[in-house]
Amino acid sequence: NAGVTQTPKFQVLKTGQSMTLQCAQDMNHEYMSWYRQDPGMGLRLIHYSVGAGITDQGEVPNGYNVSRSTTEDFPLRLLSAAPSQTSVYFCASSYGASGVYGTDTQYFGPGTRLTVL
Amino acid sequence: AQKITQTQPGMFVQEKEAVTLDCTYDTSDQSYGLFWYKQPSSGEMIFLIYQGSYDEQNATEGRYSLNFQKARKSANLVISASQLGDSAMYFCAMREVYGSGNTGKLIFGQGTTLQVKP
Repeated sequence: NAGVTQTPKFQVLKTGQSMTLQCAQDMNHEYMSWYRQDPGMGLRLIHYSVGAGITDQGEVPNGYNVSRSTTEDFPLRLLSAAPSQTSVYFCASSYGASGVYGTDTQYFGPGTRLTVL
Repeated sequence: AQKITQTQPGMFVQEKEAVTLDCTYDTSDQSYGLFWYKQPSSGEMIFLIYQGSYDEQNATEGRYSLNFQKARKSANLVISASQLGDSAMYFCAMREVYGSGNTGKLIFGQGTTLQVKP
């Protein structure tokens, strides 16, 4: 059971380039999400999905696209990288969308450290 | 709106001693969950322990325990017998209940950096 995996671990892009951050989980979790972590800003939700074929925006969705064609995979696409997107990106998953009382545990991947020059 | 407050930006503890990391929360919900995560210098976010508001007993996971005081709205993490590998940032979090415009996201505190001294 690998849990949540992310690739790559590190990436350097030039402004304007596009790329896809990969995320996969093998726990049959319905809910998957992407966060970015910036100093002084904490973790902010970018996009999330409550099941295959269903995605929605979080707090900071601009400049990012997602899709969820399978339960296992939830890739994050940067359309045209900007220096403001320099950050650490985490993918997370949980069994349900939150549980009735917000009790479902979210498990995180190891993160991708992205630098945009 | 839910809010998590961690008032200790940094803490030191001697190896093999116990340490308590503070967390207070604010919510109008009657039932909710509280989580602690560890983020070492390598960067990953590791789930440590969970406490449900309706749980009568404090949660424990190995050397981690959660001192849950519902009336005070506090959920402090206790690490017993500290080890050098416990040096990390620790985050307390609540989860937003999905629906009615809510995303189901985790709401994090500001974090506490723990350094274990040999």
